[in-house]
Amino acid sequence: GAVVSQHPSWVICKSGTSVKIECRSLDFQATTMFWYRQFPKQSLMLMATSNEGSKATYEQGVEKDKFLINHASLTLSTLTVTSAHPEDSSFYICSAFLRTEREQYFGPGTRLTVT
Amino acid sequence: RKEVEQDPGPFNVPEGATVAFNCTYSNSASQSFFWYRQDCRKEPKLLMSVYSSGNEDGRFTAQLNRASQYISLLIRDSKLSDSATYLCVVKGNYGGSQGNLIFGKGTKLSVKP
Repeated sequence: GAVVSQHPSWVICKSGTSVKIECRSLDFQATTMFWYRQFPKQSLMLMATSNEGSKATYEQGVEKDKFLINHASLTLSTLTVTSAHPEDSSFYICSAFLRTEREQYFGPGTRLTVT
Repeated sequence: RKEVEQDPGPFNVPEGATVAFNCTYSNSASQSFFWYRQDCRKEPKLLMSVYSSGNEDGRFTAQLNRASQYISLLIRDSKLSDSATYLCVVKGNYGGSQGNLIFGKGTKLSVKP
């Protein structure tokens, strides 16, 4: 199956700093990538849909100025959590859409802890 | 009402037991249905798609009832390695050409020796 990587796999940062998370499709091109967030014992919640070469589409309640998404190439999307707060601590998972199979393939996730 | 609702769990069962997970979804326009498995601190992995006619993959059987908007997953002869959280996932055609995946909260399964 298709492979999606995320980097870093975990990160600890101080409150007020920014953190960038990368999502890469390793063996296919993805015009669309998705960013999810999962709090402990909660379901994965879609944050935004990232489209290559255009602005991301954010879900209701997700601050676009706080969670900056850039999809500059067909294999890379980045999520930057700006001015991180402890309540942003969560498991962030990306997925890449493989059009030929009409399937989303998930990255391994990034665990963010804000102290 | 939540879009996808599942049994709260957790389910603690002995090896060899049969266990059933239930799920209901609220949007009748939903097009595709899946069961995912998520291990602790890992990404979800597709277990199987769910079709109206019902489908089976080894010890796993999935069923869909569109009229009652209900999905089920049956695991027979459960193994220790089946311990994980099982996520009911629904995809609609209401958010772009590929649709959004809507995840249930998941039901945790622990299989004990």
